[in-house]
Amino acid sequence: SAVISQKPSRDICQRGTSLTIQCQVDSQVTMMFWYRQQPGQSLTLIATANQGSEATYESGFVIDKFPISRPNLTFSTLTVSNMSPEDSSIYLCSAAVSRSSTDTQYFGPGTRLTVL
Amino acid sequence: GQQLNQSPQSMFIQEGEDVSMNCTSSSIFNTWLWYKQDPGEGPVLLIALYKAGELTSNGRLTAQFGITRKDSFLNISASIPSDVGIYFCAGRAYNNNDMRFGAGTRLTVKP
Repeated sequence: SAVISQKPSRDICQRGTSLTIQCQVDSQVTMMFWYRQQPGQSLTLIATANQGSEATYESGFVIDKFPISRPNLTFSTLTVSNMSPEDSSIYLCSAAVSRSSTDTQYFGPGTRLTVL
Repeated sequence: GQQLNQSPQSMFIQEGEDVSMNCTSSSIFNTWLWYKQDPGEGPVLLIALYKAGELTSNGRLTAQFGITRKDSFLNISASIPSDVGIYFCAGRAYNNNDMRFGAGTRLTVKP
């Protein structure tokens, strides 16, 4: 398994500012992902964080708005840039652990963001 | 991309009752995962399935990977109040790197 921590756990931010969320995994993992979850909704994949290269973004998400870093196999950051109230959500870091033909995906506790 | 249909959307049951929820996909999956999410927390992995027909248990929870590889179900037996939460199915298709999630089943257990 993988234990994932995120910082901050929650934040309240002003419109137009940016917030960087950190994700730390306790072991080296194959893949890291960032999800967004609106209240009462399912999880929406923002991007796959690639180690040593640019992240792969899903439709509707762009690098200028959600820059992502992954400098090594255990750490990633997501920045929510130029925030607006519509960015208020829970942001979840996830890591996939693959062994032979099986893969399992674990989640961090999430970062609850409120934009005023 | 793959579409996941999870049902039911919500359930209200009495403590001690059994629960069943399921997910179907438009594509063939090679991995099915079931998660539970409590308020203010991230999803926690309950059961992972990797083979068509596989039936796996975790305490009172049982999940199966459908023979067609396009569906999966999760059963909870003898529900208790701490089973309350949102249950998500997730699946990965062959050669895809990311999981797709169902909309979730919100479970309420009345004592």
